[in-house]
Amino acid sequence: EAGVAQSPRYKIIEKRQSVAFWCNPISGHATLYWYQQILGQGPKLLIQFQNNGVVDDSQLPKDRFSAERLKGVDSTLKIQPAKLEDSAVYLCASSLVWTGKNIQYFGAGTRLSVL
Amino acid sequence: DQQVKQNSPSLSVQEGRISILNCDYTNSMFDYFLWYKKYPAEGPTFLISISSIKDKNEDGRFTVFLNKSAKHLSLHIVPSQPGDSAVYFCAASARRGTSYGKLTFGQGTILTVHP
Repeated sequence: EAGVAQSPRYKIIEKRQSVAFWCNPISGHATLYWYQQILGQGPKLLIQFQNNGVVDDSQLPKDRFSAERLKGVDSTLKIQPAKLEDSAVYLCASSLVWTGKNIQYFGAGTRLSVL
Repeated sequence: DQQVKQNSPSLSVQEGRISILNCDYTNSMFDYFLWYKKYPAEGPTFLISISSIKDKNEDGRFTVFLNKSAKHLSLHIVPSQPGDSAVYFCAASARRGTSYGKLTFGQGTILTVHP
């Protein structure tokens, strides 16, 4: 079974530029999550999708971050414009159903450096 | 507001000995807890979980203990192996209706197992 795929693995941009990350979840997983992990901290949920609907985006900085999940499969996370404090690893995760024990499976992440 | 805390940034253990990683939480609504392991340049991988109706869950060398009154959980690894060297994250979630909400992660503990 293929895992969660993310691209790119690394991205370096200057502040005020825009950037986009892509995620392909495990086949059949209805729930998809985007996390931000700043160095030295645990992952923090940015947004959660159930199929292509948003379940929780309470911690998404909506003035600069946006995310979509078209057709309930792949998802993209965009930052526009980027700030220095957005430097982090962006992790995508998926889970089989939004019920039960909520075991989430993570991709390798995209490491973003904003200069 | 750090609702899940791992107060030990690092732990060093000799191969064959026991590793004990600790986690404290403040939100009394949390009722499902997970441990994830993370190797460098990889995403977190699920290790073991426990529901609040239990106080212990065991899987091979890994055992998680939950003390609800103290809002404390711990992960025991016996015996520890060099391949266990990784960052360990504690995570918690609260039930939302018949399902669970987002995972809230601790800051992580770096475990180093020396041969």
